[in-house]
Amino acid sequence: SAVISQKPSRDICQRGTSLTIQCQVDSQVTMMFWYRQQPGQSLTLIATANQGSEATYESGFVIDKFPISRPNLTFSTLTVSNMSPEDSSIYLCSVGAKFTYNEQFFGPGTRLTVL
Amino acid sequence: AQRVTQPEKLLSVFKGAPVELKCNYSYSGSPELFWYVQYSRQRLQLLLRHISRESIKGFTADLNKGETSFHLKKPFAQEEDSAMYYCALRVSNAGGTSYGKLTFGQGTILTVHP
Repeated sequence: SAVISQKPSRDICQRGTSLTIQCQVDSQVTMMFWYRQQPGQSLTLIATANQGSEATYESGFVIDKFPISRPNLTFSTLTVSNMSPEDSSIYLCSVGAKFTYNEQFFGPGTRLTVL
Repeated sequence: AQRVTQPEKLLSVFKGAPVELKCNYSYSGSPELFWYVQYSRQRLQLLLRHISRESIKGFTADLNKGETSFHLKKPFAQEEDSAMYYCALRVSNAGGTSYGKLTFGQGTILTVHP
């Protein structure tokens, strides 16, 4: 299993500012994922972060808005840039499964409120 | 593109009653299907995966490829089952391995009353 921690657990930010969310895993993993869970909605994948390469973004998400770093196999950051109230969400880090059908683990999430 | 549908946003039952949380998917290939659960103030965690064909906490889920469904069932609901339940689909890449790109349904909030 993988234990994932995220910082901060929650934050309240002003519009126009940026917030960087950190994700730390207790073991080396190849792939890490960032999801967004907007109020009352399901989880949506933002991007896939591989160590040593550019993140791969899903439709509707762009690097300028959600830059991601993956400096090593246990750590990743997601920045929410130039925030607006629509960015208020829970942001979740997840690590990929090593093998088919393996469990995928999630972090506790970062609850972001943008005023 | 793949899609997961959970038609019920809210589901309420009484303790001891059977419960079924519905999940339908659309995907042309062979998907991996999962049920994830999120209890109050806890992180998202795996409940079941279709390949295991096991019962976890009394819950079972059978993949019906003909109906493209993966409904979650429990014969006798307990109060501690109250939680948010997500059905999720994972697609294998061209190489046949899976990397965790999950597509989630909208989620069903299950409330089990005493």
